[in-house]
Amino acid sequence: NAGVMQNPRHLVRRRGQEARLRCSPMKGHSHVYWYRQLPEEGLKFMVYLQKENIIDESGMPKERFSAEFPKEGPSILRIQQVVRGDSAAYFCASSPPPGQLQETQYFGPGTRLLVL
Amino acid sequence: AQKVTQAQTEISVVEKEDVTLDCVYETRDTTYYLFWYKQPPSGELVFLIRRNSFDEQNEISGRYSWNFQKSTSSFNFTITASQVVDSAVYFCALSEARTGTASKLTFGTGTRLQVTL
Repeated sequence: NAGVMQNPRHLVRRRGQEARLRCSPMKGHSHVYWYRQLPEEGLKFMVYLQKENIIDESGMPKERFSAEFPKEGPSILRIQQVVRGDSAAYFCASSPPPGQLQETQYFGPGTRLLVL
Repeated sequence: AQKVTQAQTEISVVEKEDVTLDCVYETRDTTYYLFWYKQPPSGELVFLIRRNSFDEQNEISGRYSWNFQKSTSSFNFTITASQVVDSAVYFCALSEARTGTASKLTFGTGTRLQVTL
């Protein structure tokens, strides 16, 4: 029973490039969340998605960041024209559908993004 | 707005000592959930416990125990007879309880626990 999977685990980009982070939720989970952890800080919520639908993007920066969770395939967090301040660990979490302990989110191992 | 405060930035104990990690939260919701997660040096986040706001029973799981007190808005975590493998950053988190859909987690800044021999 595989947990939440994220890839890549480490990603290095130069300023101005694009970063694509992937997340496959646990089997049976239809809710996906993205969080960002800056060095020596706690996790900050970015976006919450269900299949083909963004539910809450109140934590997403207004520019350069986007997220999707298509009907087929993993959820993608996309960062365009990366800057050094985007360097962080990006965690994905998933939870079951409503009515099935939806309140517990299980996290993936994270993607460490380094912008040079 | 929700807020979680973990006032202890770093704690260092010697193996076999007991240690309590503090967590204080703020919310206007009458129903909510509280969580603890562990982040070991390898970096992943490990779920430890979820507590519903309407259930104030304390919980024990092996060497871990949690003390939920609604009156003081606290959800403290105690490790009994600490071990080196307990060394990690521990995060307390809070979420609303919404019917039919999930809710984002609000995290504290974490407490780094260092257990030495």
